[in-house]
Amino acid sequence: AQTVTQSQPEMSVQEAETVTLSCTYDTSESNYYLFWYKQPPSRQMILVIRQEAYKQQNATENRFSVNFQKAAKSFSLKISDSQLGDTAMYFCAFMKHDSSASKIIFGSGTRLSIRP
Amino acid sequence: EPEVTQTPSHQVTQMGQEVILRCVPISNHLYFYWYRQILGQKVEFLVSFYNNEISEKSEIFDDQFSVERPDGSNFTLKIRSTKLEDSAMYFCASSAEGALGGYTFGSGTRLTVV
Repeated sequence: AQTVTQSQPEMSVQEAETVTLSCTYDTSESNYYLFWYKQPPSRQMILVIRQEAYKQQNATENRFSVNFQKAAKSFSLKISDSQLGDTAMYFCAFMKHDSSASKIIFGSGTRLSIRP
Repeated sequence: EPEVTQTPSHQVTQMGQEVILRCVPISNHLYFYWYRQILGQKVEFLVSFYNNEISEKSEIFDDQFSVERPDGSNFTLKIRSTKLEDSAMYFCASSAEGALGGYTFGSGTRLTVV
């Protein structure tokens, strides 16, 4: 069975700082996807970034980038130049690539607060 | 940008009552999902649905739960006899290419069982 672990329940940084959220996962699969989802106070789940396990290059989306270490099963999210609107719960998530209707397995989340 | 629409946004029901949570997936999507998030806890998979049948369900998705796509546009989750522990946020999601293209989540229905 796959598991996703987020060891930082809460983090707080000053606006404009860079912050890194940690995530580790456990799987015996060789082909899978990893995600970071953002859940603001509105509770909607918003995809931040996605990484395919077969790609060595780390995914980036504007101020968001990941550090994907496949051998270590680590998938951290870096937010550069943090903004007040980045305040949210962040969930790391895993999905194996073996069927079209694969489920997503979420970590327990990190609550990120950006201070003005 | 296309959205997954969920109604109602908040529903309060008495224990033992049946509830139906409604979702309108993105129109060209073929794969549908329900997830649940108990307050303060992680988001948990309930069920996936494709080609008018359940693809996979979790151990949470017991006999009191059912899903249906009654009219080609709506996707519903029915809870037959609600319990207090069913109180949670329920998220619907849909995708075009299974999980490969990524999911789009709805904004959720907050279910409160009293």
